[in-house]
Amino acid sequence: NAGVTQTPKFQVLKTGQSMTLQCAQDMNHEYMSWYRQDPGMGLRLIHYSVGAGITDQGEVPNGYNVSRSTTEDFPLRLLSAAPSQTSVYFCASSYSTFRGSDTEAFFGQGTRLTVV
Amino acid sequence: GENVEQHPSTLSVQEGDSAVIKCTYSDSASNYFPWYKQELGKRPQLIIDIRSNVGEKKDQRIAVTLNKTAKHFSLHITETQPEDSAVYFCAARSGNTGKLIFGQGTTLQVKP
Repeated sequence: NAGVTQTPKFQVLKTGQSMTLQCAQDMNHEYMSWYRQDPGMGLRLIHYSVGAGITDQGEVPNGYNVSRSTTEDFPLRLLSAAPSQTSVYFCASSYSTFRGSDTEAFFGQGTRLTVV
Repeated sequence: GENVEQHPSTLSVQEGDSAVIKCTYSDSASNYFPWYKQELGKRPQLIIDIRSNVGEKKDQRIAVTLNKTAKHFSLHITETQPEDSAVYFCAARSGNTGKLIFGQGTTLQVKP
């Protein structure tokens, strides 16, 4: 049981480049989400998904795309990287709140992204 | 939209003192309120949580209280130790959308 696995751990991009941050979980969680963490801003929700085939926007979705083709995977795509997207990105997963059971969110180890 | 405000942003206490962090939320449909601790360079990890049908929960030196009417909840750490030094986040999960929204974080420093 690996939990939530994020790759890569570190990445440097040039302005305008695109890339995909990978996130996978093996806990059969319905709910998956992406956050970015910036100093003094806490964890801000980018996109989230309540199940395969369903995604929705969070607090700061601009410049990012997601898809959820399987329960296990929830990749985050940066379409055209900008310096403002320099941040630490965390993926998280949990059981759905509608399940009525424990909904603790488990986090991946994070991806430190620098856009130059 | 949903919003979670957290105060203070920084907190410094002497070892053995108590620490209190407060959060308010805006979404009345919120029904789950976790607290996370994040050490430097690490991922956030759950330390305690509370559901909307409970007013208080305690786990050894940490406790959380919830006032649904006022839409605020607090984390209490007693007998603080240097290893409690970290960034603490509160969060609120919407019972409608499932979105988990975080506060801005509190950097707690416990001085030996």
